[in-house]
This record gives sequence, structure tokens and C-alpha cells, in this order.
Amino acid sequence: SQKIEQNSEALNIQEGKTATLTCNYTNYSPAYLQWYRQDPGRGPVFLLLIRENEKEKRKERLKVTFDTTLKQSLFHITASQPADSATYLCALDRHTGNQFYFGTGTSLTVIP
Amino acid sequence: DGGITQSPKYLFRKEGQNVTLSCEQNLNHDAMYWYRQDPGQGLRLIYYSQIVNDFQKGDIAEGYSVSREKKESFPLTVTSAQKNPTAFYLCASEGGSRTDTQYFGPGTRLTVL
Repeated sequence: SQKIEQNSEALNIQEGKTATLTCNYTNYSPAYLQWYRQDPGRGPVFLLLIRENEKEKRKERLKVTFDTTLKQSLFHITASQPADSATYLCALDRHTGNQFYFGTGTSLTVIP
Repeated sequence: DGGITQSPKYLFRKEGQNVTLSCEQNLNHDAMYWYRQDPGQGLRLIYYSQIVNDFQKGDIAEGYSVSREKKESFPLTVTSAQKNPTAFYLCASEGGSRTDTQYFGPGTRLTVL
């Protein structure tokens, strides 16, 4: 199986700053890794996917990096806004069909 | 309005009762999934189905059952054998490509009284 670790503590940052969330895994390297956003009481929403042969992926204010040597992905939100406050989950494919391992998530609060 | 729906949003069950959670999608996705989410834990896979009339156990299938008689529907039954069923249940679907993303429903919060 796969063990996934995300920031164990909640992250509080000031509006306008860059938030950086980490996702570390311990076993095999996934073929790809995904980041999702989850608001309280709701289902996760897909944000970005990065493949093992990609170092970096961007989408508007979001940036994801993938370092297969360190077994780590970083998720950045630049120019953060209070509306970015949510829990962010990383997910790794299992190499056996279309199933994923999900991390426990990191709670982000952007303070106005 | 395409998407994936779950019902009910809140569900209360007495101990010893079976209960069925509904999941419907109109995205024409082949694969569907059920996850359980508990506070402080990640999503854990209960069951998944890659195609109609076929499904596989996930990591925590004990005490749960599913069916996949139609492409758009994947109901989950929480049986009395599930010792700690109180949780937030999420259904997801995914298209045929291995790199497609998962689309989640709004979730059902089940509470055992």
C-alpha cells in the first residue's frame, strides 16, 4: 500500500501571501498525482493533475511540483484570498486500475 | 445539468438496521467509487466498479455491500455488520481514461443513533 502525509497542522496565512502545502509519500512512485479542494460538508473538487515525467504544472494562481526523487509534491497558491480557505487533498494512483490513495488533507485558512 | 448526485444528504439509522445510500451520475462514466471519510483521516475506498455488473472490494469493504445494475447508479448498503458506520460517505465517478479525474458527489452524512 501507500502511505501519504500532508501538512499535519492547519495552515494559516495572510491574504496576498503564497500558501505552500506538501504531500509526501513513502512507497512506490505514482504514475500521476492529483490535488483536490474540499469545503466543509461537501465532496472534493479536482484542481490539478501532474504526471511523473512532469516537474511542474500551473493553472491560474495554482502551481504544483512533483519530485519523484524526494517522493514529494508541493502545491502553491499565489496571491491567496480568503475564498481559498478550504481543505486540500492530494491523491496518488495505485498502479492497479483507476483507484487512488488519498491523503488526510491540509486545512488552509487565509486571513483577510 | 450534468453531474453526480447523492441522497439523502443526512441519514440517521438505529443500531442493527441496514441502510442504503444512493449515488447517481449522468456523466456517462464507466467507473464509480464509494469512499468513507472520518475526521482526521483521508478518504478510504470501500468499493469500486469499473463496469456494469462488476465491482471490487476496496480497503474497508467489510460491513458494506454494493450493486451496479445500471451504468448511472451505484448504491451502497451499510449493513448491521458494520461496527462503526457513523461517517461521511462520498461517491465518485470517473471516465474511461486512466488519467481522468474523479468527480465527487456532495456526500451523505450517516449517523447511527
